[in-house]
Amino acid sequence: DSGVTQTPKHLITATGQRVTLRCSPRSGDLSVYWYQQSLDQGLQFLIHYYNGEERAKGNILERFSAQQFPDLHSELNLSSLELGDSALYFCASSVRQASDTQYFGPGTRLTVL
Amino acid sequence: AQKVTQAQTEISVVEKEDVTLDCVYETRDTTYYLFWYKQPPSGELVFLIRRNSFDEQNEISGRYSWNFQKSTSSFNFTITASQVVDSAVYFCALSEAENDYKLSFGAGTTVTVRA
Repeated sequence: DSGVTQTPKHLITATGQRVTLRCSPRSGDLSVYWYQQSLDQGLQFLIHYYNGEERAKGNILERFSAQQFPDLHSELNLSSLELGDSALYFCASSVRQASDTQYFGPGTRLTVL
Repeated sequence: AQKVTQAQTEISVVEKEDVTLDCVYETRDTTYYLFWYKQPPSGELVFLIRRNSFDEQNEISGRYSWNFQKSTSSFNFTITASQVVDSAVYFCALSEAENDYKLSFGAGTTVTVRA
């Protein structure tokens, strides 16, 4: 158990809908990263937050957004869902924003029908 | 361009055999970190090992060992005396100072250990 929690574990929804994925980092960690794992793209970095501020963006679609709250938990919002958004979404946390090891949560498996 | 290449897609071994996973990376940064993560069938990503670019000392930790060679940009990982529980997908990853230390993952190598 990495100490990073993600909810829900599974999510099944329809095209066009909007969902919110939630992540609670390890106690004391200030950085939260979001990654997407799909069969065709592999593991891809989406976005990084440090202590409530956005630090870096990867190949994140405009339909996707995220935020980190004062209690350091983070939410990833996916809207206007398409079939291709079906994937495993991971949250990872680390102590600071630099070179610390990122520890991953169990992931949220999103299925868009 | 792919920053991390794991040329082996799948490896199948019999229990107690050694398994070596290859990883080749590409970076122009002088400060970077290399990682191995394991993804068992249950789906979570488990951190295994980490190495920084300034330390090429190779180490052994239990049944795991790694061989970091900057001259060939390789960071290979060996499981000694494999066990069925080692069956998983193994990912090599690179984090670079110039890229905010986000992880760039290889495509993964699926290891199957047969009893």
